Order: sequence, then structure tokens, then C-alpha cells
Amino acid sequence: DQQVKQNSPSLSVQEGRISILNCDYTNSMFDYFLWYKKYPAEGPTFLISISSIKDKNEDGRFTVFLNKSAKHLSLHIVPSQPGDSAVYFCAASALGDSSYKLIFGSGTRLLVRP
Amino acid sequence: NAGVMQNPRHLVRRRGQEARLRCSPMKGHSHVYWYRQLPEEGLKFMVYLQKENIIDESGMPKERFSAEFPKEGPSILRIQQVVRGDSAAYFCASSQSASRSNTGELFFGEGSRLTVL
Repeated sequence: DQQVKQNSPSLSVQEGRISILNCDYTNSMFDYFLWYKKYPAEGPTFLISISSIKDKNEDGRFTVFLNKSAKHLSLHIVPSQPGDSAVYFCAASALGDSSYKLIFGSGTRLLVRP
Repeated sequence: NAGVMQNPRHLVRRRGQEARLRCSPMKGHSHVYWYRQLPEEGLKFMVYLQKENIIDESGMPKERFSAEFPKEGPSILRIQQVVRGDSAAYFCASSQSASRSNTGELFFGEGSRLTVL
């Protein structure tokens, strides 16, 4: 039972264009969402997060949008750079005693072509 | 200012052997989490420990798997009598606290890749 789904295993975009990575969730108790970036043979590194009380959070070239009614979030990277090529994981956590526990999607591999 | 250190980075075991994976959290961090990533899947929570205490082991398989975080030394994830299905990348993460506001400041190690022949 996948509670966090990333339906696109891969995405290829041209350098300078926008990259849009999507994530859907099923658990209505999730109220905090994060994106992690992972290079090969390295651990995931935190990129950006959003609380369910917001619908947008921006940090430089990275913006996360949250649509609670659709249980959908997306990560926009603009402009995309070759160094952004990595696997991006969406993760969620639920309010409560286990809020430390992150539920990850299966990841989307982004390739930014020079 | 070292990050989360995991060793070994790669471990090969034959079926039935034991695997021990070690994790030293970032300096000043007393909360340790283990996650497992199977091929082509996302990371899955296994266990959350504080010094000398297991707080949440709800993601640990019921048999063969155990974890500890002693007063001195690294956290250890131990897998007894390994089977081929245990082949995965095991990631350790640490945080300064488990508070919600720090969820984004979960720092991951580079992982230990276990291959069971």
C-alpha cells in the first residue's frame, strides 16, 4: 500500500527549461511534505519542505506547490541545470507521535541535458 | 564537522551469515533512524533510536533484524541469517531532536549496500 506515489520514474529536460516533478499521496493525515535529492552512491539530502497550512514554498530555483484537495504536490526547478540531474524523492509525515517517520515515494530520476 | 558516517559502504554476505552495519551520527545528534531502500523503491523506515533506547521499531522485520544505539559508540543494525531479499541499501540518518520543525533537518549518511549471494 503505497501512501506516497511518484508515478514518473524518469524525466528529461533541456538545460534552462523548467523541470516539474510530481507526487501524489493517499493519507489525509499527512501534513508535512519534503523533497530530497539523491546522487548515485550518496545519501539523500534535504531540498525543500512545505507544511499543509501553505500551498507554496519557494527557495531560489526550487518551488514546491501543494494541492491538498487533490492530495498532490509538485516540485518546480527553474531554470534547470545539469547539476540538478539526480533522483528526487518526495516524502511525507503525519502529525502525531510518529511525526519523525518519513514515508517516501519511489523517486523520479531527473536528467537535465546540456 | 563530519556528517553521518556509515560503514561499511559495501558488504557482501552469503546466505545464512550475519551482517552488521554501523552508523555514527553527526556530532551533537542523539537521534538515529535507519531506512532501507530496496532496488527501484523509495526509502522505508525501519527503526528510530535514541541513546540506549529503541523508540520505534515498527518498520523492522519481526525476525533476524535488531538495532542498538549504545551509550558509547555507533548505532548498529544487525541482520542475522541473511537471505537474498535482504540485499538493499541501508541508510542511517540523524537529527538533533525529533521535533516536527526539525524534520527537514534529517541528515542521511551515504548508505551501506548489502549484497547477499
